[in-house]
Amino acid sequence: DAKTTQPPSMDCAEGRAANLPCNHSTISGNEYVYWYRQIHSQGPQYIIHGLKNNETNEMASLIITEDRKSSTLILPHATLRDTAVYYCIVTPAGTASKLTFGTGTRLQVTL
Amino acid sequence: NAGVTQTPKFRILKIGQSMTLQCTQDMNHNYMYWYRQDPGMGLKLIYYSVGAGITDKGEVPNGYNVSRSTTEDFPLRLELAAPSQTSVYFCASRLEGSSYNEQFFGPGTRLTVL
Repeated sequence: DAKTTQPPSMDCAEGRAANLPCNHSTISGNEYVYWYRQIHSQGPQYIIHGLKNNETNEMASLIITEDRKSSTLILPHATLRDTAVYYCIVTPAGTASKLTFGTGTRLQVTL
Repeated sequence: NAGVTQTPKFRILKIGQSMTLQCTQDMNHNYMYWYRQDPGMGLKLIYYSVGAGITDKGEVPNGYNVSRSTTEDFPLRLELAAPSQTSVYFCASRLEGSSYNEQFFGPGTRLTVL
């Protein structure tokens, strides 16, 4: 599976957009990009995923570059409740969706 | 739906003791997973199951066993607890073929081995 690289931490002011980058330069054609987050000590929570097109849902937007070597998760209006560790995960289709978690980006949303 | 439930929430074991971590889901998901998370680290896959009677090893299976006799339950067994198994254990489930492919996680079991 392709490896991902994320900054260890980021800060964001409440109400502003949080843009979390992820590098996955070795991604192959059948691998999806998933984003999960983990608030404090809770179980991870699914946010969004995509293959090559940009995706948007009620939680976030996912922007994938044309060469698919990097992506950005956008939380359009961050709130204090978005403070969490965000994981970018690349996984192939048809592999029982086994997830390989790195250390993620710790996003701190401040007043 | 209760989603994915795990028991116990906390447990302290002595070295060499055994225990079973329970995981139950009420969403009729066929895929289930066990992960462990060490302090400051991401989750690592221990075992997974694609349906009742079918299990397979993940990245860190040594020291653990699983069984899947029903769709709902996926217990994780520690036979001879070691300090290296001190961790938070998360169970997850997923519905095969779901358009979102997302895994639903339980609240975790915090295990300390002394």
